[in-house]
Amino acid sequence: DADVTQTPRNRITKTGKRIMLECSQTKGHDRMYWYRQDPGLGLQLIYYSFDVKDINKGEISDGYSVSRQAQAKFSLSLESAIPNQTALYFCATSDRGSTETQYFGPGTRLLVL
Amino acid sequence: GQQLNQSPQSMFIQEGEDVSMNCTSSSIFNTWLWYKQDPGEGPVLLIALYKAGELTSNGRLTAQFGITRKDSFLNISASIPSDVGIYFCAGPLYLSGNTPLVFGKGTRLSVIA
Repeated sequence: DADVTQTPRNRITKTGKRIMLECSQTKGHDRMYWYRQDPGLGLQLIYYSFDVKDINKGEISDGYSVSRQAQAKFSLSLESAIPNQTALYFCATSDRGSTETQYFGPGTRLLVL
Repeated sequence: GQQLNQSPQSMFIQEGEDVSMNCTSSSIFNTWLWYKQDPGEGPVLLIALYKAGELTSNGRLTAQFGITRKDSFLNISASIPSDVGIYFCAGPLYLSGNTPLVFGKGTRLSVIA
């Protein structure tokens, strides 16, 4: 089984809908991240969490919120989806004391119509 | 936060050719990382560099931490079809403290057999 899983893998939604992307990990890592990938723009950090009680905004947090339900789970929500949030979303984890080696999930491809 | 510029944006090369790509930052970095994203998957760490001037290899890949600490280079020798993908440089988003990563926009490599 994969160490970092994301659900759903693909999602189509309509403008204005609320949507949640979920991430689970079995690596026992404290640190978790959400990134967005757009063609030609690389990976942009949305939110990150260094432990269960720690939540931090990244480079592009507007329009997004997160919840760290447990060490192993980190969810990303779009409260009211808009078309320019169409992108590939990745969850990643890293061990305590290290941000260099991040382990990425397989990604969730989101289309907002 | 820090910003990274990667070049070239994309490359088309013949199998067997050597490849060079680079990354520059707006500020001094104390860590340089190179990740690779295979098509349809999340990025994976290839090489980590921690010291100015450091040269590190991973198989056919060699990366260097520039002596100015504002740049890094990745070379791939004798390219093969499985080298296809997007290569990202990365480094600390903030200059000090507990910091997540910032990623460059990536270099997309295509290998023609």
